[in-house]
Amino acid sequence: AQKITQTQPGMFVQEKEAVTLDCTYDTSDQSYGLFWYKQPSSGEMIFLIYQGSYDEQNATEGRYSLNFQKARKSANLVISASQLGDSAMYFCAMRETPRGSNYKLTFGKGTLLTVNP
Amino acid sequence: KAGVTQTPRYLIKTRGQQVTLSCSPISGHRSVSWYQQTPGQGLQFLFEYFSETQRNKGNFPGRFSGRQFSNSRSEMNVSTLELGDSALYLCASCAGTGFSGNTIYFGEGSWLTVV
Repeated sequence: AQKITQTQPGMFVQEKEAVTLDCTYDTSDQSYGLFWYKQPSSGEMIFLIYQGSYDEQNATEGRYSLNFQKARKSANLVISASQLGDSAMYFCAMRETPRGSNYKLTFGKGTLLTVNP
Repeated sequence: KAGVTQTPRYLIKTRGQQVTLSCSPISGHRSVSWYQQTPGQGLQFLFEYFSETQRNKGNFPGRFSGRQFSNSRSEMNVSTLELGDSALYLCASCAGTGFSGNTIYFGEGSWLTVV
């Protein structure tokens, strides 16, 4: 069963507008962590934001925020005030049992974001 | 603070050869993981090392192996290369313990082409 689902293969947004990238996950663990990464064409995987399953508040990092809805098992990434440099592939990933010795990430298939001028 | 460093960045190998990729984690990080990224399969976990011990292993054949040294640097090796091994290989670094273990950083990757 697919554990991380990103239903948007591609998204377009106008510069300076906000965009939401969807991510749903499946796990039976009570303790887990959710990550978002940005991957430009160069290949580097850039860490954007992290949300722990027990975190009561949604994570924010500058222009990035994570809309965490635990009951719906969704962890959508919101990018505010899009910039041309935001054009890249975005991956949602999950780490199960983060308090244990398990640092394996399971990734979704990604969403290709294009920011138009 | 230096990030995760992977070498080489690009390489071309012939079928049947073997290859070794290197990863230097962020200073102080003790966990190193490896991932394979292909257009068809996406990102797949290979293995994870912590303090020179393999803690997790993905579903890859035995041709894929790795190790970690006492300074936390890690290498992965692929023997008897096949065309399907052509991929971007990404190394991830993590503190490995405690709250800071929640942040996992990646390197720029090594692009392997098998011809």
